[in-house]
Amino acid sequence: QVQLVQSGGGVVQPGGSLRLSCAASAFTSITYGVHWVRQAPGKGLEWVALIRFAGDEDIYADSVKGRFTVSRDIPRNTLFLQMNSLRPEDTAVYYCAKVPGSHRSNPFDHWGQGTLVTVSS
Amino acid sequence: SYALTQPPSVSVAPGQTARITCGGNNIGGTSLHWYQQKPGQAPVLVVYDDSDRPSGIPERFAGSNSWNTATLTISRVEAGDEADYYCQVWDSSTDHFVFGTGTTVTVL
Repeated sequence: QVQLVQSGGGVVQPGGSLRLSCAASAFTSITYGVHWVRQAPGKGLEWVALIRFAGDEDIYADSVKGRFTVSRDIPRNTLFLQMNSLRPEDTAVYYCAKVPGSHRSNPFDHWGQGTLVTVSS
Repeated sequence: SYALTQPPSVSVAPGQTARITCGGNNIGGTSLHWYQQKPGQAPVLVVYDDSDRPSGIPERFAGSNSWNTATLTISRVEAGDEADYYCQVWDSSTDHFVFGTGTTVTVL
């Protein structure tokens, strides 16, 4: 049973930093990819970033490029989203979501439980 | 940037059929996925690759995708189907991933 367990959310001031974690179990193939998706309060889903578990590529939405960085710790089966220069508009629930392979058109077949990030002074 | 447009809301009586559309330029040429999200919960994949269902998703959920419109059809709607539904594709021109605007399904 695939599980993604998230941690690391909280309240941060504008301009601050936060790191989110997504611990994965029951899958080990490095061909898998993991996305980060966010949802502002009362709003829809917005894709944020993708990292292949092999760590050989990562891509970002324009809204976070240059401020957010994805990474992974293979021995710990854990993915990270490092968020710098945070803005109030980054306030959202952040989800990690796994895709079953390396093809871009793969669906997001398993999701973490989500973690709330609030950017406020 | 690529956009996927969904109706904000759909209302349906129990036992009837709900149809949720997702419009986008030539989305019939892409693999489209649908997610269900209940309040306070993470999204759940209900249809992938236009019309396939993951294990555990009832046959009442069916998808189609042609030309500029994809449709998620929920047959014999139940109270438990009340949720937000999102379509999603990969935009090859930007190498970004796009979600639809979302549709709230209300069971009357």
